[in-house]
Amino acid sequence: QITLKESGPTLVKPTQTLTVTCTLSGFSLSTSGVGVGWIRQTPGKALEWLALIYWSDEKRYSPSLKTRLTITKDTSKNQVVLTMTNMDPADRGTYYCAQFWGSYSVFAYWGQGTLVTVSS
Amino acid sequence: QSVLTQPPSVSGAPGQRVTISCTGSSSNIGATYDVHWYQQFPGTAPKLLIYGNNNRPSGVPARFSGSKSGTSASLAITGLQAEDEADYYCQSYDSSLSGWVFGGGTKLTVL
Repeated sequence: QITLKESGPTLVKPTQTLTVTCTLSGFSLSTSGVGVGWIRQTPGKALEWLALIYWSDEKRYSPSLKTRLTITKDTSKNQVVLTMTNMDPADRGTYYCAQFWGSYSVFAYWGQGTLVTVSS
Repeated sequence: QSVLTQPPSVSGAPGQRVTISCTGSSSNIGATYDVHWYQQFPGTAPKLLIYGNNNRPSGVPARFSGSKSGTSASLAITGLQAEDEADYYCQSYDSSLSGWVFGGGTKLTVL
């Protein structure tokens, strides 16, 4: 059974750095063709892709947020970590990680999400 | 403003057929990138419903189907059931933006 679970702070202050961790189960990020992506959903419900890391360690970032994002993986721990710098109240939302199938370019399995609020 | 355009809401009576459109452009759907659909219930994560334009993951009823033509795609739901009431999102890849894009979502109401 494939599962993903996000963890991280529920509250960060403006200008701080957010670090969220995705723990994988039921699959390995060393498997060819597989990746893990981060997608966030704002209170207005829109889904926004943020970053993606492939099994090969190739990384892709949303052009609009690229300067603020870093995605890394620790295959031995089955974890993917996303950091976002200079957090702003507009970054409030639910942050999801999802298994990515490279063959179809689709986010196949999603974690439950973690709600992040940005406030002083 | 989402790159992929969906109607904010659609509705239908139980047993009816409804369709949800997803309109893109020549840099995403029209560029032959696949379209995928997700279903989301309140307070839960999106769940993959259709992938690769018209493929259903295991466990998704055959009442759900997808299609794609030109710069648009559609999700069709036949034999509408009360349990289908949810938000639906389309997703593709955009070569101009060099990234994966989503529609703004459509709320399906079963009357």
